[in-house]
Amino acid sequence: DAKTTQPPSMDCAEGRAANLPCNHSTISGNEYVYWYRQIHSQGPQYIIHGLKNNETNEMASLIITEDRKSSTLILPHATLRDTAVYYCIVPSDSGSARQLTFGSGTQLTVLP
Amino acid sequence: SQTIHQWPATLVQPVGSPLSLECTVEGTSNPNLYWYRQAAGRGLQLLFYSVGIGQISSEVPQNLSASRPQDRQFILSSKKLLLSDSGFYLCAWSWGGIEELFFGEGSRLTVL
Repeated sequence: DAKTTQPPSMDCAEGRAANLPCNHSTISGNEYVYWYRQIHSQGPQYIIHGLKNNETNEMASLIITEDRKSSTLILPHATLRDTAVYYCIVPSDSGSARQLTFGSGTQLTVLP
Repeated sequence: SQTIHQWPATLVQPVGSPLSLECTVEGTSNPNLYWYRQAAGRGLQLLFYSVGIGQISSEVPQNLSASRPQDRQFILSSKKLLLSDSGFYLCAWSWGGIEELFFGEGSRLTVL
């Protein structure tokens, strides 16, 4: 798997945008970037994924740099329920979900 | 809609006792099925995955085993638990390709 680097923790004020960075400088041309989050004592939840174009869904936006060496997950209006560990994953075999390796992620704490 | 259930939610077992965790998926057919484990303060570790009935692949050698007796049923077992087997066990499913994983509620195992 392409190695990803994320800050261990971040804080965000409720109602503000949360911008979670991820570095994946060794990513290859056909590898996707996936984002999941895990709320305490629950299973991870899929958020979004992308290849090279920016992506947006009802949960978040994913901004991938032109060189694809980094990306940012944006939660536009963070709520207290968004407090979770956020995982950025680049599986080596993007055709197989079994290659989703969950590392340490970023602990996002949304503050009231 | 698809749902995934796993049980029991919590259990406390003595060292050397057997283990059986069960996971079922509803609302889809021929899913890929996965067992993950999360030790305290650690990331998720893929233990087993299955692409069909009776087809099990092990990612990490250990004293655990998995079986898939029916299309939408995945069972995690052990004949003799070790202290190091304590953790949060998560079952997940996906469609055959690149799509995201859908996780169950998790089973928290404490081995004493």
